[in-house]
Amino acid sequence: QVKLLQSGAALVKPGASVKMSCKASGYTFTDYWVSWVKQSHGKSLEWIGEIYPNSGATNFNEKFKGKATLTVDKSTSTAYMELSRLTSEDSAIYYCSAGGPFAYWGQGTLVTVSS
Amino acid sequence: DIVLTQAPLSVSVTPGESASISCRSSKSLLSSKGITSLYWYLQRPGKSPQLLIYQMSNLASGVPDRFSSSGSETDFTLKISKVETEDVGVYYCGHRLEYPLTFGSGTKLEIK
Repeated sequence: QVKLLQSGAALVKPGASVKMSCKASGYTFTDYWVSWVKQSHGKSLEWIGEIYPNSGATNFNEKFKGKATLTVDKSTSTAYMELSRLTSEDSAIYYCSAGGPFAYWGQGTLVTVSS
Repeated sequence: DIVLTQAPLSVSVTPGESASISCRSSKSLLSSKGITSLYWYLQRPGKSPQLLIYQMSNLASGVPDRFSSSGSETDFTLKISKVETEDVGVYYCGHRLEYPLTFGSGTKLEIK
């Protein structure tokens, strides 16, 4: 079955960057767009952007342009998201999701930005 | 950006009874291909969201048929018949009509 395994929680300092991973299994990695979704504590879901592993093509929410960088490693079926210039507003759970209408979800990566 | 407005904020339901959740879109979600790009998700406590309904009225794989959804181009309703304790969580509507993809603010379902 389809699985998306995300990297563990991260504690990072303000101004730093963080890179998280999402390893896919159970399907052909290059078949589905991979999206990233932010969920601040107790809040709703916010779409950050998506990447098509086959070509590397991306689409972004304007709000996250310059904040998030999406990449993939086809050899390991892994998608990555790097967040830069972190502030307290970036503290959240970040989910990866694949399969059209967010059919499959990872377990989430908790990012805490604190000095 | 398309704004999805959900109501109510929360709903408390006795097991075995029904619950309805509304989602209103600021723009028609009917695509040029004739598909209504409205989706429903459930996020159980402490878990990742899961897809319940796609393209307004289609049940995702493994989702019990107690769940159903209907609507027009801008107004949608998720209905849960015979609510069970496992249905507890936050329900979100979302769209995939255009970028950016957006979600509603969520409706929390609790059991009485």
